[in-house]
Amino acid sequence: QQPVQSPQAVILREGEDAVINCSSSKALYSVHWYRQKHGEAPVFLMILLKGGEQMRHEKISASFNEKKQQSSLYLTASQLSYSGTYFCGTESDYNTDKLIFGTGTRLQVFP
Amino acid sequence: DAGITQSPRHKVTETGTPVTLRCHQTENHRYMYWYRQDPGHGLRLIHYSYGVKDTDKGEVSDGYSVSRSKTEDFLLTLESATSSQTSVYFCAIRDVDLGKSDTQYFGPGTRLTVL
Repeated sequence: QQPVQSPQAVILREGEDAVINCSSSKALYSVHWYRQKHGEAPVFLMILLKGGEQMRHEKISASFNEKKQQSSLYLTASQLSYSGTYFCGTESDYNTDKLIFGTGTRLQVFP
Repeated sequence: DAGITQSPRHKVTETGTPVTLRCHQTENHRYMYWYRQDPGHGLRLIHYSYGVKDTDKGEVSDGYSVSRSKTEDFLLTLESATSSQTSVYFCAIRDVDLGKSDTQYFGPGTRLTVL
């Protein structure tokens, strides 16, 4: 019951925008976003809590729609450094000890 | 840097042999996790620990066991490795910052190949 991420892959030119979505079938307490570059460990970007506000990391922001159990990651004016695979990790209302990760969205930014 | 190390970083072994991977942390975090990462599957939780000698299963625990006899070390054991366990294994800790939200931070990973 992994959350579903869409799209699976995105190709951008520098300066373009993108949106990555993460949807769960379960009631969520929080959504965590990570970025992973090839051959490296995932790196934490931000967390969205139920009832919390929209978060931002540099020019990357995210929102959490509790009614739809969906989070969206907004990448604005993309930079080459944004390339990588983005994962959402969801924490459910009934078990906040662990995260369940989506299968990832691969983002490639070209000059 | 959450002070997490994993050893070994790379290992090649043969089917049927036992393998133990070690995760070591230096900041006294209560929660520790083991994940495996495979193409098309993202990160999948194998086991996790919420204290010394306290562990629980994740989504893909079959064929794996864990032990935590000290706060700083979390061991993952493959009793009899199979080719399907070829993967990249990540350890993570949960950092709870009172007054803020908590999240997980990952170690550098161990690439395991079972021939």
